[in-house]
Amino acid sequence: GEDVEQSLFLSVREGDSSVINCTYTDSSSTYLYWYKQEPGAGLQLLTYIFSNMDMKQDQRLTVLLNKKDKHLSLRIADTQTGDSAIYFCAEDGGYQKVTFGTGTKLQVIP
Amino acid sequence: GAVVSQHPSRVICKSGTSVKIECRSLDFQATTMFWYRQFPKQSLMLMATSNEGSKATYEQGVEKDKFLINHASLTLSTLTVTSAHPEDSSFYICSARGYYRQASSTDTQYFGPGTRLTVL
Repeated sequence: GEDVEQSLFLSVREGDSSVINCTYTDSSSTYLYWYKQEPGAGLQLLTYIFSNMDMKQDQRLTVLLNKKDKHLSLRIADTQTGDSAIYFCAEDGGYQKVTFGTGTKLQVIP
Repeated sequence: GAVVSQHPSRVICKSGTSVKIECRSLDFQATTMFWYRQFPKQSLMLMATSNEGSKATYEQGVEKDKFLINHASLTLSTLTVTSAHPEDSSFYICSARGYYRQASSTDTQYFGPGTRLTVL
């Protein structure tokens, strides 16, 4: 079946850039998503990218998609303490069937 | 591979009937299970959180009598949509938090593949 993998932890200093990586296996993915989960809260959709795009930028967020390698990344510029959360990538394989990664816990050190 | 399964993956039912969705953690004990509902191109909406053996905690706006959650064991939680109506048609996702691998020093949340509910 489809599989989405992420590293579990990332620690960065405040002001630095964070890069969270994700790999997936489903070549029929139409959309790929990044979600943010703050402690005690549900998932918040941060951004998504259509599978025929290479890059999408939204303020401090940059999403890069390498469809050939099935690799997705989320870059957060000027990382702030409020960015500390768990970030999930997810791929939509069609019919709105979404497969989530296990999440990357981002720790921002002041 | 996936460590949380959901059954069924798709269900179509008539208005007024009840539908049960199962969520199972495979090869690990889930201390907490979450039920989400997803609307197209929107964030997942957390419906409820349940711990094994205790009553589920529902988010504001989610009807307890409509969406019955039973966390019967450390590996199984069920969501029953009672007297389903077309507006209940959606994609329901469960996730389970637990220690999957013995070497892991922290618990991780794993998501199920989702259940597509269509109410006619």
